[in-house]
Amino acid sequence: DAKTTQPNSMESNEEEPVHLPCNHSTISGTDYIHWYRQLPSQGPEYVIHGLTSNVNNRMASLAIAEDRKSSTLILHRATLRDAAVYYCIPVGFSGGSNYKLTFGKGTLLTVNP
Amino acid sequence: EAGVTQFPSHSVIEKGQTVTLRCDPISGHDNLYWYRRVMGKEIKFLLHFVKESKQDESGMPNNRFLAERTGGTYSTLKVQPAELEDSGVYFCASRRLDGPFYEQYFGPGTRLTVT
Repeated sequence: DAKTTQPNSMESNEEEPVHLPCNHSTISGTDYIHWYRQLPSQGPEYVIHGLTSNVNNRMASLAIAEDRKSSTLILHRATLRDAAVYYCIPVGFSGGSNYKLTFGKGTLLTVNP
Repeated sequence: EAGVTQFPSHSVIEKGQTVTLRCDPISGHDNLYWYRRVMGKEIKFLLHFVKESKQDESGMPNNRFLAERTGGTYSTLKVQPAELEDSGVYFCASRRLDGPFYEQYFGPGTRLTVT
């Protein structure tokens, strides 16, 4: 499994953008980069994923470096509900056909009102 | 569409007892996963079903854990006999289609406390 490095914690103010970085320098060329988050006392929740191109959905944007060794999850306007642990997880054929998720420690995002 | 459900939400048992956790995946999702987080550790993969077949049980800690998915619908995870180190939160997730570009949907988890 590809190893990922994320900051242990980050802090943001409500209504401001948040950029959550992830390094995944050992990622395979066929691995997708998935982001999940876990709100307090809930199960993990899918946020977004991408392969090479930048991606947008209703929750967030994902910016992937050209060399694919890093990516950044962008929350355009943080809300209090976005306070969670965010996980960057490479998922691909290199991990076997079950496409299991390998969670690291993630980044704890605190959003200040 | 109902999400992934897990039962019970919390279970407290004594060491040596048996506990069975249940997971109901999203209807139509052939892929079902079990994960768990023990105290202070990261969420770890336990096993993966495709319909009723176990595809990968490499994450199961030992033979005290038995997972089943009869009929390819709901799944159960039985711990027998439970030990103190089994305490943690057990998550179930399901995925409809095969491939690394499909997301997993998680249930709220079952918090297991072994005393």
